[in-house]
Amino acid sequence: GENVEQHPSTLSVQEGDSAVIKCTYSDSASNYFPWYKQELGKRPQLIIDIRSNVGEKKDQRIAVTLNKTAKHFSLHITETQPEDSAVYFCAATGYNFNKFYFGSGTKLNVKP
Amino acid sequence: DGGITQSPKYLFRKEGQNVTLSCEQNLNHDAMYWYRQDPGQGLRLIYYSQIVNDFQKGDIAEGYSVSREKKESFPLTVTSAQKNPTAFYLCASSIRAKQFFGPGTRLTVL
Repeated sequence: GENVEQHPSTLSVQEGDSAVIKCTYSDSASNYFPWYKQELGKRPQLIIDIRSNVGEKKDQRIAVTLNKTAKHFSLHITETQPEDSAVYFCAATGYNFNKFYFGSGTKLNVKP
Repeated sequence: DGGITQSPKYLFRKEGQNVTLSCEQNLNHDAMYWYRQDPGQGLRLIYYSQIVNDFQKGDIAEGYSVSREKKESFPLTVTSAQKNPTAFYLCASSIRAKQFFGPGTRLTVL
């Protein structure tokens, strides 16, 4: 089955700096890669996603890049703000979207 | 996300008891999922269902059971066979790969 690894497990940045979270996956059949943000005690919220036919996708301050050859994808947050502080999860799924495989999460702390 | 509800928000179970967690969605999504989340860890798949009256085991199905009699509902039963059930349980539904989560149920074994 698929195996998704996520790094780093914790990330601390100064407000206004950029943050990058990286994930790798093992199954070359995976073709959809969402990112979720989870605030303490809350449900995960989909913040951005990318399909395997696209190399990069941007939505305001967040962007995701995908390298299919290397089987890794990354989340980029620019101009970080304290409200960006949360746990971020990457995930991968295949053509049938039957099962989503999640990374172990990155706790992002943005210091004001 | 408001279209997926879970109840109760908090649940306490005595050892040896079965408990059932409710998950309802009014989004008309075909697929529904149950995940378990332990502190500082990612989401682990318990069961998923692509259509009514059909469901599949996920990675940690032992000690859990589900049913899918209606499209809108996917209840999860935590049985006494689940030795370490204290966790945060998340239900999700999806359409065209986009997965949306309910607010979660925090289960504690006393």
